[in-house]
Amino acid sequence: DIQMTQSPSSLSASVGDRVTITCRASQRISTYLNWYQQKPREAPKVLIYAASSLQSGVPSRFSGTGSGTEFSLTISSLQPEDFATYYCQQTYSTPWTFGQGTKVEIK
Amino acid sequence: QVQLVQSGAEMKKPGASVKVSCKTSGYTFTTFDINWVRQAAGQGLEWMGWMDPKSGNADFAQKFLGRVTMTRDTSINTAYLELSSLRSEDAAVYFCARALPAQGANHYFDYWGQGTLVAVSS
Repeated sequence: DIQMTQSPSSLSASVGDRVTITCRASQRISTYLNWYQQKPREAPKVLIYAASSLQSGVPSRFSGTGSGTEFSLTISSLQPEDFATYYCQQTYSTPWTFGQGTKVEIK
Repeated sequence: QVQLVQSGAEMKKPGASVKVSCKTSGYTFTTFDINWVRQAAGQGLEWMGWMDPKSGNADFAQKFLGRVTMTRDTSINTAYLELSSLRSEDAAVYFCARALPAQGANHYFDYWGQGTLVAVSS
């Protein structure tokens, strides 16, 4: 199975901050990497697919980069509604594994 | 609009089975795979498997082999997840999600059900 490791596991940030979350795959996965946002008691919501494609309706402050084994999600200017947990997911090969999550909290 | 609506919460005893439904609407059910993902309380997301609603073919994570069944009823646009021999570690919220293909073989989950809480307790 492909292991996905996110860092950090949690972070504290202020509104307006630039935030970057990284995701590392245990083997090369090309750009078969998606990012999701999950708020408490809600289903996850896709933000970025194929490493860098912004899902329709998602604000442009979210962006994704990377290929191979190293990926990142950046929020250019953190907004109050962005405080949530973020997950990366690889869909290169089954089982389609998720990272352990990064919780973004208010400083 | 696309919707995936799941069945209600379940309380089961260890060793029992649970069957969760995922009723879809707003698109052609047989066009996109349905995936199942679970989340234990306070934990991360765990992919369980996918099913092709057109053929009924499915693929599961190794850890669930022998205990999981994914089926569908195309007449009512509904997918089902059945998990047997339940143990305490299976207590979780179970989500169904539609998988959209993008850029070759990549897929991502664009629509999700609201989740079904499965509690396992004697």
